[in-house]
Amino acid sequence: EPEVTQTPSHQVTQMGQEVILRCVPISNHLYFYWYRQILGQKVEFLVSFYNNEISEKSEIFDDQFSVERPDGSNFTLKIRSTKLEDSAMYFCASSEASFSGELFFGEGSRLTVL
Amino acid sequence: GENVEQHPSTLSVQEGDSAVIKCTYSDSASNYFPWYKQELGKRPQLIIDIRSNVGEKKDQRIAVTLNKTAKHFSLHITETQPEDSAVYFCAAHLGFSGGYNKLIFGAGTRLAVHP
Repeated sequence: EPEVTQTPSHQVTQMGQEVILRCVPISNHLYFYWYRQILGQKVEFLVSFYNNEISEKSEIFDDQFSVERPDGSNFTLKIRSTKLEDSAMYFCASSEASFSGELFFGEGSRLTVL
Repeated sequence: GENVEQHPSTLSVQEGDSAVIKCTYSDSASNYFPWYKQELGKRPQLIIDIRSNVGEKKDQRIAVTLNKTAKHFSLHITETQPEDSAVYFCAAHLGFSGGYNKLIFGAGTRLAVHP
């Protein structure tokens, strides 16, 4: 069964450093997302991406965050200057349909900012 | 603003009993309501979903009901088993947010099924 894959599974970084989290969505999916889950809390929407541009972003997704689809398969989330409060599990997701289609999540990338 | 409330935050049942988790949502335009199961350290996995044109949906031991008038939906698990132990999240698709899957999640329910 096809699945969304994410790397790295865990990254530890110093405050102020740049981090790039990578995702390979399911191959025939066209809609991509990043969600965040702080330990013990709920899953929060960050951004959605379609046709090589951001379609929607939340208030969490400030200027420190950016997303990119550098080639035909990868979808990346960059945090320019990490803060302690960026420590969380970041989930990439993709869907085939645009509206109310099933969302498939990756295994997540755990980011620890020291 | 957009909000999904979920109750209870923790639920402990004996194996074989039923478990019910309830959610309410604020955006009356929401029309898609998935439920996710998340085991410790794992990704959320879709277990069942319901759309606003349906009042109830069942899949083996799992069922979901939706009351659009009251803006609430519930997950029902019958004949619970220890492997049902996990955190369950409800979610609501936010109305028409540009047509993309902006799901608003509830805070989660930690279900423990005791043998």
